[in-house]
Amino acid sequence: GENVEQHPSTLSVQEGDSAVIKCTYSDSASNYFPWYKQELGKGPQLIIDIRSNVGEKKDQRIAVTLNKTAKHFSLHITETQPEDSAVYFCAASSTLGEYGNKLVFGAGTILRVKS
Amino acid sequence: SAVISQKPSRDICQRGTSLTIQCQVDSQVTMMFWYRQQPGQSLTLIATANQGSEATYESGFVIDKFPISRPNLTFSTLTVSNMSPEDSSIYLCSVKTSINTGELFFGEGSRLTVL
Repeated sequence: GENVEQHPSTLSVQEGDSAVIKCTYSDSASNYFPWYKQELGKGPQLIIDIRSNVGEKKDQRIAVTLNKTAKHFSLHITETQPEDSAVYFCAASSTLGEYGNKLVFGAGTILRVKS
Repeated sequence: SAVISQKPSRDICQRGTSLTIQCQVDSQVTMMFWYRQQPGQSLTLIATANQGSEATYESGFVIDKFPISRPNLTFSTLTVSNMSPEDSSIYLCSVKTSINTGELFFGEGSRLTVL
């Protein structure tokens, strides 16, 4: 089955700096890669996602890149703000086959933005 | 998107007892899932809740321990049976609103502490 690895486990940045979180996946059949943000005491919230037919997607200060050949994808947050502090999870799934519709999550990254 | 309500939001339980968590969605959804998030850990899929039939469990999870019901397209329950301290976790209901997309939405979670 799919295995997703996420790095780093913790990341501290100064307000205004950029943050990058990287994930690798194992199953070449995976074609959907979302990123979730989880604030303390809340459920994960989808912040951006990318499908395998696209190499990059951007939404204001957040961008995600995908390298299908290397099987890795990254989350980029620019101009970080204190409210970006949270746990971020990457995930991967295939919408087809035995593992269709099942998201496999990375271990999570604790992002701290220092003001 | 979908608005997902979970009850209870948190509970403290005694070893050996069982607790049922309810998940109510504000619209009919194609797929419902139950995830577990152990303290400081990532999300692990317990099972897919199938409407009108038995749930589909992931490796390591069994129906006797985690019975699931899904009587209609907007409601599901997860029971954690014969609890032990190792069952202390956040249990999250999640839904997909379209079978053709990978977007998964989460409830706020039910935080269980087993003494």
